[in-house]
Amino acid sequence: DVKVTQSSRYLVKRTGEKVFLECVQDMDHENMFWYRQDPGLGLRLIYFSYDVKMKEKGDIPEGYSVSREKKERFSLILESASTNQTSMYLCATSPSSGGGSDTQYFGPGTRLTVL
Amino acid sequence: AQTVTQSQPEMSVQEAETVTLSCTYDTSESDYYLFWYKQPPSRQMILVIRQEAYKQQNATENRFSVNFQKAAKSFSLKISDSQLGDAAMYFCAYRSRNRDDKIIFGKGTRLHILP
Repeated sequence: DVKVTQSSRYLVKRTGEKVFLECVQDMDHENMFWYRQDPGLGLRLIYFSYDVKMKEKGDIPEGYSVSREKKERFSLILESASTNQTSMYLCATSPSSGGGSDTQYFGPGTRLTVL
Repeated sequence: AQTVTQSQPEMSVQEAETVTLSCTYDTSESDYYLFWYKQPPSRQMILVIRQEAYKQQNATENRFSVNFQKAAKSFSLKISDSQLGDAAMYFCAYRSRNRDDKIIFGKGTRLHILP
């Protein structure tokens, strides 16, 4: 089974802090994704990566950056956290299109509160 | 751009009854995938069922089945013999077969199961 882990289930930070959210997968998937989930808004894509050192902006990249130095690890960075970034953050992975699978596999999520 | 619409923010069903969750989508493409994902309270998002657009036959997974109407761009999920463990947020999602690996999610339907 695919295992996707996220570094924290719950996180509380202060406004202006730099925040790192880590995602690690053990299935050698090429694609990794970061979403935020808010009530009534569903899942919105922040950034995604097709390969090591590659990144693409999603629908709401403002205020975020990402890093993918190794295939299994995809980090989401909030350079200066703000209260409007309080949310549930979900990481997901999938094989590349040529890998024969079209499904994304999700981590358990990190609930971030910015005070 | 593709969009996915779930018009029912919340639904309730009596245990052992059948419930149908609605989803419509908009796309100009002819080849794509559709999914239903389930997110139980405080638990990981998992795939419930998937449908390939070129297949006319509706997908079925045990008590879960879909009604895929390609011309109407409709993709509803039917849950038969509802169980308490079916209580969750359900997301309808779309992925193009011909483009990148991003998935577009609807805003979700929260399903309550009444004992």
